[in-house]
Amino acid sequence: EPEVTQTPSHQVTQMGQEVILRCVPISNHLYFYWYRQILGQKVEFLVSFYNNEISEKSEIFDDQFSVERPDGSNFTLKIRSTKLEDSAMYFCASMRGHEAFFGQGTRLTVV
Amino acid sequence: GESVGLHLPTLSVQEGDNSIINCAYSNSASDYFIWYKQESGKGPQFIIDIRSNMDKRQGQRVTVLLNKTVKHLSLQIAATQPGDSAVYFCAETFYGNNRLAFGKGNQVVVIP
Repeated sequence: EPEVTQTPSHQVTQMGQEVILRCVPISNHLYFYWYRQILGQKVEFLVSFYNNEISEKSEIFDDQFSVERPDGSNFTLKIRSTKLEDSAMYFCASMRGHEAFFGQGTRLTVV
Repeated sequence: GESVGLHLPTLSVQEGDNSIINCAYSNSASDYFIWYKQESGKGPQFIIDIRSNMDKRQGQRVTVLLNKTVKHLSLQIAATQPGDSAVYFCAETFYGNNRLAFGKGNQVVVIP
């Protein structure tokens, strides 16, 4: 069964550094998303992406965040200058109809 | 505003018993609701969904009930098994918007 894959599974980075989280969505899906989950809290929407552009973003998704679909299969989330509070699980999802399929997540730890 | 914290409501249930997990949603414009299961270290996994024109939907061992009057959603798991131990989230969205708004999770612990 097709699935959403994310790499790396765990990323440790120093505060102020840039990180790129990678996702390969399910190939025939058209909508892609990034969500994050701070430890013990609920899953929060960051951004949705359709037709090679951002369709919606939350207040969390400020100027330090960007998304890209560089080659038609990968979908990336870049955090330009990481802060301690960016430490969280980051989930990529792709959507068919209203059903969202989530990846296993990348645990980002900012030290 | 909502309170957030590190402690999830926890339901401890004996293996074989039925579980009921509740969720209050916030947006009266929401017309589509989904329950997700999240096992430790994994992403949310779709369980069952329901549209706002229904009040009940059944799946395999799971039933979702929707009460739009009080904006309440519940998930019933029949004959709970150890593999059902996880955190369960409800999520809502509305037509024309694919963004999911997740509720706070509920931890289910199945006692063998």
